[in-house]
Amino acid sequence: GAVVSQHPSWVICKSGTSVKIECRSLDFQATTMFWYRQFPKQSLMLMATSNEGSKATYEQGVEKDKFLINHASLTLSTLTVTSAHPEDSSFYICSARWRVSNNEQFFGPGTRLTVL
Amino acid sequence: EDKVVQSPLSLVVHEGDTVTLNCSYEVTNFRSLLWYKQEKKAPTFLFMLTSSGIEKKSGRLSSILDKKELFSILNITATQTGDSAVYLCAPKSTSGTYKYIFGTGTRLKVLA
Repeated sequence: GAVVSQHPSWVICKSGTSVKIECRSLDFQATTMFWYRQFPKQSLMLMATSNEGSKATYEQGVEKDKFLINHASLTLSTLTVTSAHPEDSSFYICSARWRVSNNEQFFGPGTRLTVL
Repeated sequence: EDKVVQSPLSLVVHEGDTVTLNCSYEVTNFRSLLWYKQEKKAPTFLFMLTSSGIEKKSGRLSSILDKKELFSILNITATQTGDSAVYLCAPKSTSGTYKYIFGTGTRLKVLA
């Protein structure tokens, strides 16, 4: 149980285009989903927290107009990187908090984004 | 500002050795601390610690939290090559929004 999937696993795009990453909780309802970014050999940096049906809360320094987050249902959150640039190339990981879980969050497998 | 520091940054040991990984933290409205193991992709959950002094064990891994001194340790005994990974600690803060703050991680390599 508690499986989180992400799609796509790997995406390469041209500079200036937008990329959408999906995060799904497959067998549970996720009231909260988190989006992280991880650069090579660095730790996970929280970008934003999204609660189903409400606007995402962005961490300081994360541009909300660039990283659009939508959490339309209890099993799906999407992150859209708008007008992507090479410096946005990174590993994007989502995690989902189970409705009945007090603290534990379950991670998706991550999406590697490369912007040329 | 919330801060999580893990040490050492990197560690190379031989199979059978015991290792201790450290995590010190300063977070606002601390609630709990989680340990994760990250190999090639997403982190996998190891432990959740909420109370001081109570050791949690899972096979060769164990962990303990000290809320007074603001640190946690993760022990791995009789290490195996499969333990090679980055180990992340993540204290939970409930200041403002509920969130986890990840440390820089300790990269462990176990040689055969």
